[in-house]
Order: sequence, then C-alpha cells, then structure tokens
Amino acid sequence: DSGVTQTPKHLITATGQRVTLRCSPRSGDLSVYWYQQSLDQGLQFLIQYYNGEERAKGNILERFSAQQFPDLHSELNLSSLELGDSALYFCASSLRGLTSGYDEQFFGPGTRLTVL
Amino acid sequence: GEDVEQSLFLSVREGDSSVINCTYTDSSSTYLYWYKQEPGAGLQLLTYIFSNMDMKQDQRLTVLLNKKDKHLSLRIADTQTGDSAIYFCAESIYNSGGYQKVTFGTGTKLQVIP
Repeated sequence: DSGVTQTPKHLITATGQRVTLRCSPRSGDLSVYWYQQSLDQGLQFLIQYYNGEERAKGNILERFSAQQFPDLHSELNLSSLELGDSALYFCASSLRGLTSGYDEQFFGPGTRLTVL
Repeated sequence: GEDVEQSLFLSVREGDSSVINCTYTDSSSTYLYWYKQEPGAGLQLLTYIFSNMDMKQDQRLTVLLNKKDKHLSLRIADTQTGDSAIYFCAESIYNSGGYQKVTFGTGTKLQVIP
C-alpha cells in the first residue's frame, strides 16, 4: 500500500458525459501528479500540482482539468468524454514536487475509466 | 527532447536471469528509475540510479547505466513467477523552471514461465 488513495476504482460512462476522479496523496506529500495509461500510449503525464498550485502540464487535453484543494487532495475532471478516453488514470504524490534532489513518486491503484 | 523506449515483451523461464533494457535520448538526466506494475495495481518503485553512477545492486536487482550509449538495464537474478509484471523505466530531467520532469517508457511485460 503506497498510501495514495484513488476513487472510484472503476467508472463506466457514456460518450459526451463528464466524470470526476479523486485522489488523496500520502500524508505529508505536497505534490500530486496525474497520469493516463492506455494500451497504445503507455504512461502519459497529464498535470502536476504542488501545494495547491499548478506546477507542470503534460499531454492534457483541453476537455480535461484538475485542481488541488487546500487539504491537498486533488480531482481530475474529464468532460465531453470520447471512446478514446477509456484508460487507467493514476495519481501519484511526492514530498517536494520534484524540486531538488531525489523525490520519489508514490502511485495510487488507479481508476479504470470505460467510455461506452 | 525526452523519449524513453523499451521493448514490449520478454519471456523467461523461472530461475533464469531476466534483463530488461531501456534507451533514453536526453543526456541531462538526473535520476533513472525502474518501476514495477503488477496486474490491476499501480506502479511501485523498484530501484533508481543517480546519473553519475554506473551500477547499483539491490538484492536480486542489478541496474546498469551506460551514459555514453544512453542505455539503462535492469537485471533480475533467479527470476520467480512473482516477478511477472510490467516494468517501466523512467528518467527525470531538470526543466527551465528548475523542477524535474519524469518521463516514462512504454513498459516491458515480463512473463515468467514455470
């Protein structure tokens, strides 16, 4: 158990809908990261937050948005869903947000999203 | 630019050694990592190596880093069926903002045959 929790574990929805994925980081970690894992794309970095502020953006679509709340939990919002958005979405957390030195990312168990 | 590549699949017999390879393109990597993903689970860090090291050993795991060829490998000695998983290599690089960005490879699925 990494200490990172994600809910829900599974989500099945229809095209055009909107969903929210939730992540609670490890106790004490200030930074959260969202990744998308699909069969043909491997693990793609979406976005990073550090202590409530957006720090880095990766391959995140405009239909997707995220935020980190004062209690440091984070939510990833996916809207106007398409079939191609079906994937595993992972959240990770780290202590220092990959600033200086070694900073390990701890991964949650993931949310499996199926868009029908 | 950052690009991390791995072969997609490796099959070995139980008790043999497994060698999973990874190539990366950015020579300014600071840390290189190996993660393991078991079915239905998230990624778990196995080991990492600082870019100024050539080798790191941790029990059954040996990491070799060839900076000249930008090649990273993970050797698992005495491979067991419990080692069956997807293995990801990753590199971290400082960006212009002073933060590290981590790029993951495509993952290598290791199948251990009893």
